Amino acid sequence: GENVEQHPSTLSVQEGDSAVIKCTYSDSASNYFPWYKQELGKRPQLIIDIRSNVGEKKDQRIAVTLNKTAKHFSLHITETQPEDSAVYFCAASDNQGGKLIFGQGTELSVKP
Amino acid sequence: DVKVTQSSRYLVKRTGEKVFLECVQDMDHENMFWYRQDPGLGLRLIYFSYDVKMKEKGDIPEGYSVSREKKERFSLILESASTNQTSMYLCASSLLKVRNEQFFGPGTRLTVL
Repeated sequence: GENVEQHPSTLSVQEGDSAVIKCTYSDSASNYFPWYKQELGKRPQLIIDIRSNVGEKKDQRIAVTLNKTAKHFSLHITETQPEDSAVYFCAASDNQGGKLIFGQGTELSVKP
Repeated sequence: DVKVTQSSRYLVKRTGEKVFLECVQDMDHENMFWYRQDPGLGLRLIYFSYDVKMKEKGDIPEGYSVSREKKERFSLILESASTNQTSMYLCASSLLKVRNEQFFGPGTRLTVL
């Protein structure tokens, strides 16, 4: 089955710096790659996703890149702000009914 | 707005007890999922369901069972709770084959003593 590895497990940046979180997946059939953000004490929420027919997608300060050949995808956050502090999860899916396999999570801390 | 609710935010049970965790969604979603969340391990899929009375094992089904008698409700059952099942349990739902976005409930923090 699919396996998703996520790095780093913790990341601390200064406000205004960029943050990058990386994930690798094992199943070449996977074609949908979402990112979820979980603020402290709250539920995970989708922030951006990408499908395998594109290599990059942007939404304001966040972007996701996908390299299907290498089976890895990354989340990029620019101009980080304290409210970006949260745990971020990547996931992969082969679209078989919406089942997602999640990575281990990255705790991002943005210091003012 | 999609609303996914879980029956309890915090639950304390004793070893050997039968535990029921309930999840209800109000958006007519076909798919429902149960995860457990542990530090450093991410979200691990326990069971999921694509339809009423249908269930599929996830990655860590041992010690758990599920029930889906109605489309909006998905129950997770711990037949005989053990201390290693102390965890945060998250329910989620999604619309079949549309974008795959999962909407999560607030979670139940279960402690087994």
